Amino acid sequence: AQKITQTQPGMFVQEKEAVTLDCTYDTSDPSYGLFWYKQPSSGEMIFLIYQGSYDQQNATEGRYSLNFQKARKSANLVISASQLGDSAMYFCAMRGPDNTDKLIFGTGTRLQVFP
Amino acid sequence: EADIYQTPRYLVIGTGKKITLECSQTMGHDKMYWYQQDPGMELHLIHYSYGVNSTEKGDLSSESTVSRIRTEHFPLTLESARPSHTSQYLCASSAGQANTEAFFGQGTRLTVV
Repeated sequence: AQKITQTQPGMFVQEKEAVTLDCTYDTSDPSYGLFWYKQPSSGEMIFLIYQGSYDQQNATEGRYSLNFQKARKSANLVISASQLGDSAMYFCAMRGPDNTDKLIFGTGTRLQVFP
Repeated sequence: EADIYQTPRYLVIGTGKKITLECSQTMGHDKMYWYQQDPGMELHLIHYSYGVNSTEKGDLSSESTVSRIRTEHFPLTLESARPSHTSQYLCASSAGQANTEAFFGQGTRLTVV
């Protein structure tokens, strides 16, 4: 069965610094996709970045990058130049190859950015 | 910006009432999902749909039911609400391709008193 593990319940970072949010996954399928979502206190889920299991390069989207280490089954999110508005819950999720495209989520990491 | 909408955003209702949470998307996505999330916790899939007239139960058992009569509409119904149903309910849709994200609505925060 597929599983996502986020071991950091909470993280603090100073404004303008970089922060890494950890995510490890477990799957026996060779084809899978990994996603990161941000959930502010208002409750909506905002898509940040995607990494496919066959992608050769680490994904980047603006200040977000994904440190994908396939052999270690990790997909850590790196946020550069943190901003106060980055304070939120961050969820790592996995999509399997089956036709349902269900997303399986980790328990999340609460990031707080301080001035 | 995602074109997926949920109503109501907040609902406080008494025990035993029947409720329907609405979810609509205008992106033409075949695949839609309902997730349940307790505050500060992970999301659990409770229902999903491949398309019209297709519904399946998710990984977390739920007393709610869903229907998919139109592509754009995926309502969730609780026949008799209980305090244990208090939670946030998030609706999502996706185009179904492996490298595309799921788009989420803003969620409905349900409180059963």
